[in-house]
Amino acid sequence: GENVEQHPSTLSVQEGDSAVIKCTYSDSASNYFPWYKQELGKRPQLIIDIRSNVGEKKDQRIAVTLNKTAKHFSLHITETQPEDSAVYFCAAPDTGTASKLTFGTGTRLQVTL
Amino acid sequence: KAGVTQTPRYLIKTRGQQVTLSCSPISGHRSVSWYQQTPGQGLQFLFEYFSETQRNKGNFPGRFSGRQFSNSRSEMNVSTLELGDSALYLCASSFGQVRETQYFGPGTRLLVL
Repeated sequence: GENVEQHPSTLSVQEGDSAVIKCTYSDSASNYFPWYKQELGKRPQLIIDIRSNVGEKKDQRIAVTLNKTAKHFSLHITETQPEDSAVYFCAAPDTGTASKLTFGTGTRLQVTL
Repeated sequence: KAGVTQTPRYLIKTRGQQVTLSCSPISGHRSVSWYQQTPGQGLQFLFEYFSETQRNKGNFPGRFSGRQFSNSRSEMNVSTLELGDSALYLCASSFGQVRETQYFGPGTRLLVL
């Protein structure tokens, strides 16, 4: 099955700075990489995803990059705001499955004023 | 569209008991996946049901089982509860196609005493 590693486990940035979270995966056939944000006491919510036919995707202050050769993908948040404080999870599906996601261990992002 | 709903939201049980959790997917979604979330193990895939059939299974003991009804609602059952089963149980729904977003419910927090 897929193995996903995520770093760092905690990240503290000042408001307005950028934050980068990195994930590596093991299965070279993986082709879909979602990122979820989970605020305290709430459900995980998809914030952005990328499919293997592109190397980068942006949505306002959030971007994801994918390096298929190195088997890693990263989440970039620019101009961070206090409401960005949450736990972020990367994920990848087991090859050939639609819904069996393997998640990274999560990154707790703290945006300080 | 109404989101994914789960009942009950909180549950307290004692060791040896059994429990049934329910998940109602987004209207039109035929796939329901279940995940266990704990501080130590993170988000782990339990199983996925698609059109009333279990399509994928994670690495959990047989005490964990599920089913899906013709209206796509799904139930998860845990028998002979152990202290280590205390967790947030999340379900996620989708249309069931590859590289597709999964939408999470709010979860059921289970405490085993």
